[in-house]
Amino acid sequence: DAEITQSPRHKITETGRQVTLACHQTWNHNNMFWYRQDLGHGLRLIHYSYGVQDTNKGEVSDGYSVSRSNTEDLPLTLESAASSQTSVYFCASSESGSPNEKLFFGSGTQLSVL
Amino acid sequence: AQKITQTQPGMFVQEKEAVTLDCTYDTSDPSYGLFWYKQPSSGEMIFLIYQGSYDQQNATEGRYSLNFQKARKSANLVISASQLGDSAMYFCAMREETGGFKTIFGAGTRLFVKA
Repeated sequence: DAEITQSPRHKITETGRQVTLACHQTWNHNNMFWYRQDLGHGLRLIHYSYGVQDTNKGEVSDGYSVSRSNTEDLPLTLESAASSQTSVYFCASSESGSPNEKLFFGSGTQLSVL
Repeated sequence: AQKITQTQPGMFVQEKEAVTLDCTYDTSDPSYGLFWYKQPSSGEMIFLIYQGSYDQQNATEGRYSLNFQKARKSANLVISASQLGDSAMYFCAMREETGGFKTIFGAGTRLFVKA
């Protein structure tokens, strides 16, 4: 069955370190997204991609970057981790042109920056 | 400006009763889609229901229905015959045609179902 996989599930890091969160989907979806979830804010969009070599900034993109070298993967990099980036991170994908273009989510990565 | 507003941080409902979770949205785009997702305590995000802005009928999926009032810009989720397993966080979300394929979310409502 097709799926979307995030790794690691949990990560503890120190401030200032570079961290990369992986996202791999086998749906063959063109659209991929990274969100962070914080209490009281719901899910906020960090970066998104509509296809290979395409990346776009979301509403909370400062301190994060992504790259899309193939259809399946959209890794999220925290250039220099900050305590404010402690959060749960969700990767999602969607199929362009589907009737509702609902999001398919990964299981999330709990990141703690100490 | 907040595009999706969920004014109920938490709600309680008695098992087997119906409950309405409120959602209002803000857009000037005539073409948009509205979604509800459920997040149980296990953390995964589960798609529940979708309503397109041009859909004439309110969407229904089993015990879930979306009360779509376009003029009032509201898209409330109605859960009929609540079950203990409905206890979860519920997110309202919107995708605007002019926004491409990105979906934006409200802050969520935590629903507690009492036995």
